[in-house]
This record gives sequence, structure tokens and C-alpha cells, in this order.
Amino acid sequence: EPEVTQTPSHQVTQMGQEVILRCVPISNHLYFYWYRQILGQKVEFLVSFYNNEISEKSEIFDDQFSVERPDGSNFTLKIRSTKLEDSAMYFCASSAGGTDTQYFGPGTRLTVL
Amino acid sequence: SQQGEEDPQALSIQEGENATMNCSYKTSINNLQWYRQNSGRGLVHLILIRSNEREKHSGRLRVTLDTSKKSSSLLITASRAADTASYFCATLPSGYSTLTFGKGTMLLVSP
Repeated sequence: EPEVTQTPSHQVTQMGQEVILRCVPISNHLYFYWYRQILGQKVEFLVSFYNNEISEKSEIFDDQFSVERPDGSNFTLKIRSTKLEDSAMYFCASSAGGTDTQYFGPGTRLTVL
Repeated sequence: SQQGEEDPQALSIQEGENATMNCSYKTSINNLQWYRQNSGRGLVHLILIRSNEREKHSGRLRVTLDTSKKSSSLLITASRAADTASYFCATLPSGYSTLTFGKGTMLLVSP
């Protein structure tokens, strides 16, 4: 069964450093998403991506964040200058259509020291 | 703002019993999705119910949706220890493609 994959599973970085989180969505899906979950809190939407551009973004997704689909398979989230409060589990998701089931990857746990 | 809120926050039952979790939300939705999360792990999709549906089944799962009350329930029948996890409802607001998650219900099934 196709699944969303994410790398790395765990990333530790120093405050102020740039990180890139990688995702490979399900191959025939057209909509891609990033969510995050701070420990013990709700899963929060960050950004959605369709047709090679951002379709929606939340208030969390400020200028420090960017997304890219550099080739036909990868979908990346970049945080330019990490802050302590960026420590969270970051989930990538994809769906075939905009109102279809969103399938989530296993997540990348980001720890900012 | 749109919110899915689950009730109860925690539920502890014995194997073989049924578990019922509820979710309430505030605005009109396109669909509602239930997910399971084992501790510190990824989100596993369980079932999607659309706004024009009232009930769906998948194996031991039964989901209902009452759009007039803006609420949904997830019933797990004949629970197993392996069902121990957190369960989240996530709503897809009308006109949007982003999910809004609730805080979840922690289910503990004891052997």
C-alpha cells in the first residue's frame, strides 16, 4: 500500500540554524501539506501546496518557513533560522483531491537546542 | 474559529468492551476524518465521513455524523489492547483543504 515517507525521523539542530525536512508524498496525489504537533498539543496546520504553489497557509507559516517541490517526488519544508519554539513533530500529508482523505507520514521530530 | 473537540479527554476500558468517543465542531464542514496516533508516532487515517453522510462502518469502527448538532462519534467495538492510542477528529471546513484537529481522546484498553 502506498504511503507517505519522511526523512529524517529525528533532527537535532542549534537555534538559528536552517533545517530542511523532506517528504515523499503518495505518487498520484496532487495536494500536499505540512502540519506540526508540539509535544502534548494539537496537530496544527502549516501550509498546503497544489499545482506548484502554496494554496493556503496558517499564521504559523511566517517568512521563516518555505516549501518547495524540487522534483516530481519530493516535497520539502525549510525553516531558515530555527527557534526554540520550532521544536515539534512535523508531519507531511498528501491527498488525491482537495477534499479527500489526507494520508500522513510518520513525522520528523525536530529538536532545537 | 473552526474547532474539533473530542470528549472524553481520556477513556479507560477493558478488552472486549466498546469505546465511544465524541467530537464537536463549530462551523460548516465538507467532511470529518478520524485518526489514530500511537504515542509519539504518526497519524493513521481511520475513516472519513462526508457532510451528506450520517453513518459509516469500517471493520470494528462505526462513525456517525450529525451536522445539525455539529457532532460526530467514533465507536470501536470489541476493543483490543492494540487499540490503545490517542484518537483525533479532524474537520475539513467547507471551501478549504486544511484539516483542523481536536485535542484528542486517549484510549487505554487493558487486557
